[in-house]
Amino acid sequence: DIQMTQSPSSLSASVGDRVTITCRASQSISSYLNWYQQKPGKAPKLLIYTASSLQSGVPSRFSGSGSGTDFTLTISSLQPEDFATYYCQQSYSTPRYTFGQGTKLEIK
Amino acid sequence: QVQLVESGGGVVQPGGSLRLSCAASGFTFSTYGMHWVRQAPGKGLEWVAFIHYDGNNKYYADSVKGRFTISRDNSKNTLYLQMNSLRAEDTAVYYCAKDGMVMTGILGYWGQGTLVTVSS
Repeated sequence: DIQMTQSPSSLSASVGDRVTITCRASQSISSYLNWYQQKPGKAPKLLIYTASSLQSGVPSRFSGSGSGTDFTLTISSLQPEDFATYYCQQSYSTPRYTFGQGTKLEIK
Repeated sequence: QVQLVESGGGVVQPGGSLRLSCAASGFTFSTYGMHWVRQAPGKGLEWVAFIHYDGNNKYYADSVKGRFTISRDNSKNTLYLQMNSLRAEDTAVYYCAKDGMVMTGILGYWGQGTLVTVSS
């Protein structure tokens, strides 16, 4: 199975900060990379699909980039509602869609 | 609007069985593939199973293969997960999630989850 590794595992930041989360695949996955946001006690929510496409209704401060094995999720200006856990997921290896271990974004 | 509502979770002893359901509304259920994804307490997300729109093709994670069965009833707009020979490590919140009209692995909609606890 393709392994997905996120860094950092946790991150402290302040409202208004620019934040970047990295996801690395154990082999090339082209652009088949998706990002999800999960708040405590809630289901994950799709933010970005195929590396850089913004899901409908998601604020434009979220963006994604990368291809091959290295990907990033960037939040341009953190808002209070953005403090959550973020997961990357590869959708290249059908149907074994593995997730990263998550990055917990906390308020500094 | 798309709505997915899971049910059927609960406490079960090791070796026991449980059937989860996911009631879908707000879209043409019979034309979309569906997934089950789980999350152990305090842990990350694990893909469990997928079923094509017509139920003819099914896929499973190695960790559940031979013990879990995914199925669907398109006449009832409902997805199922039959879980047999349950183990402590199957304890998790189980989510159903909607894929595209073709299998993309992009999980655009999720239910609220149902908790399964395997314990004696």
